[in-house]
Amino acid sequence: SAVISQKPSRDICQRGTSLTIQCQVDSQVTMMFWYRQQPGQSLTLIATANQGSEATYESGFVIDKFPISRPNLTFSTLTVSNMSPEDSSIYLCSVGGDGAQHFGDGTRLSIL
Amino acid sequence: GQQVMQIPQYQHVQEGEDFTTYCNSSTTLSNIQWYKQRPGGHPVFLIQLVKSGEVKKQKRLTFQFGEAKKNSSLHITATQTTDVGTYFCAGRGTGTASKLTFGTGTRLQVTL
Repeated sequence: SAVISQKPSRDICQRGTSLTIQCQVDSQVTMMFWYRQQPGQSLTLIATANQGSEATYESGFVIDKFPISRPNLTFSTLTVSNMSPEDSSIYLCSVGGDGAQHFGDGTRLSIL
Repeated sequence: GQQVMQIPQYQHVQEGEDFTTYCNSSTTLSNIQWYKQRPGGHPVFLIQLVKSGEVKKQKRLTFQFGEAKKNSSLHITATQTTDVGTYFCAGRGTGTASKLTFGTGTRLQVTL
């Protein structure tokens, strides 16, 4: 299965600032996914990132708040913009087709 | 939209007891997957079920997919402390490019 590296692993940020999370995969993949997991909750899909096209966002998530880049088949970034305490969550990158999803270790984000 | 609920939300068992978590989707699924997330970790893929009525076993774990492809269960026989974690089902809808919707999760605590 793919090896997925996410950076940073955790961060504490000030309200109103932005943070960019990086996701690197050790093999070329068509689709990369970004999830949010709020404390003690399930995983919610933010968006699907395809190389060479705009990301597809799920209901409740918008590009202005969560801009995504996908410059090549092994890398993607998710930016959390203008952060507020409600954005405190774990953000997870994943890859997979119709089968198993494989996840990075996640980025634990706290906003003060 | 598609909703996937799991019960119970939390279960505490003594080591050696059995455990079952149930997963119910609001819509018919093309397949269902199960994941385990250890405390502080990321979700790890366990299995995928595709066929109506399918039953699969992995050592002490038994997975079932309902006849109507709207529900599933995970049963663990003789739990061990290593089984501690949160178990998520994730259902994929029918139709092209259907996304994976994660269930609400069941947190399992096992004590000696």
